[in-house]
Amino acid sequence: QEQLVESGGGVVQPGRSLRLSCAASGFTFSRYALHWVRQAPGKGLEWVARISYDGSKKYYTDSVRGRFTISRDDSKEMMYVQMSSLRPEDTAIYYCARGGSLGAAAVPLDPWGQGTLVTVSS
Amino acid sequence: SYVLTQPPSVSVAPGKPAMITCGGNNIGSKSVHWYQQKPGQAPVLVIYYDDERPSGIPERFSGSSSGNTATLTISRVEAGDEADYYCQVWDSSSDHWVFGGGTKLTVL
Repeated sequence: QEQLVESGGGVVQPGRSLRLSCAASGFTFSRYALHWVRQAPGKGLEWVARISYDGSKKYYTDSVRGRFTISRDDSKEMMYVQMSSLRPEDTAIYYCARGGSLGAAAVPLDPWGQGTLVTVSS
Repeated sequence: SYVLTQPPSVSVAPGKPAMITCGGNNIGSKSVHWYQQKPGQAPVLVIYYDDERPSGIPERFSGSSSGNTATLTISRVEAGDEADYYCQVWDSSSDHWVFGGGTKLTVL
């Protein structure tokens, strides 16, 4: 079945870097956009970044632009987010989710992975 | 930036209907999606494109959208429906994907 699995979370000091991975299976990976969405402890969902199906377009929420870089490797059916200059407010569960096929943008995020926890603390 | 406003909480007795609203400027012109999130779990899509229901989602779940308000309705609430619910749209003017703040549904 269609599945996304995140990995790479952990505890990291402020100012350091971390890379999260998202492994996909059960669908034609190269046809779909992919998103990162995060959820701080006890808070709501916050969209973080999106990469288009062909990797040519990348979008970021304002608070991470310039610090986070989203990427994908279609040969491995993997998506990544490289997070640098991490701040305590980046502490959250990070979910990957599938977006629309080809160029479609106003489509639901489905399915979602189970999430990976990132804690930024000294 | 585009803002979606949800009530923080809604409480309803079992068997009664629950309505969760999502307010946004001219939201009726956008495609609205709704997600259910139970404690310790990832979000699950329950309504997409305003009023479409994914396979496996009970018919008790329905959606509507018009003007400045979208609404998720659960016709006969069950204890298992207790969860946080989020609305979401794509804001084409900023190319941002926006979530509402979430509504905690409590079944009394």
